[in-house]
Amino acid sequence: NAGVTQTPKFRVLKTGQSMTLLCAQDMNHEYMYWYRQDPGMGLRLIHYSVGEGTTAKGEVPDGYNVSRLKKQNFLLGLESAAPSQTSVYFCASSYEREYTGELFFGEGSRLTVL
Amino acid sequence: AQSVTQLGSHVSVSEGALVLLRCNYSSSVPPYLFWYVQYPNQGLQLLLKYTTGATLVKGINGFEAEFKKSETSFHLTKPSAHMSDAAEYFCAVSDNGAAGNKLTFGGGTRVLVKP
Repeated sequence: NAGVTQTPKFRVLKTGQSMTLLCAQDMNHEYMYWYRQDPGMGLRLIHYSVGEGTTAKGEVPDGYNVSRLKKQNFLLGLESAAPSQTSVYFCASSYEREYTGELFFGEGSRLTVL
Repeated sequence: AQSVTQLGSHVSVSEGALVLLRCNYSSSVPPYLFWYVQYPNQGLQLLLKYTTGATLVKGINGFEAEFKKSETSFHLTKPSAHMSDAAEYFCAVSDNGAAGNKLTFGGGTRVLVKP
């Protein structure tokens, strides 16, 4: 009954360091998303994927890269972290064939960049 | 481009009182509208949604929302607040099922329930 799992849940980086957030879903969903959540700004879409091997930019893609090599996994990378990337990151997935608009979210990954 | 505005970043209600959270949207296509709830240290989960049909939609935990096209609104209500309703609530609009099923979220409203 895992749903959407994000790792790690917490991470502290120094400016300029790199890291990767991993999202895994076990619901066989086609679509996956990475959002960032900042106070008063809701959730903003960073990148998304409509299937294995595909990715697309969202609203705030700069400074991030993603990969979807396997259907169940969606990776978010920061090549050179900046303090402005301090945020809570959420991965989500959705079932494409029957559109309901419902996204299934992970529990979030809190990233602090010093 | 779509956008969502939630009026009030914080709302305080007494237990048993009406909960009213306001949401206005803009969309170039007939909207699909959603309310999500986030409990502390958790991800978001769907409360309710409007796609087509009846404009008054009911969700989980006694919440309901009404789609008013003329007012471009989708306000969320619950007649009687419970302590367990303390959470952050997000209104969202979708791209209507276009490639990606992407959601645009409002800034969120944090609800505090007083005993």
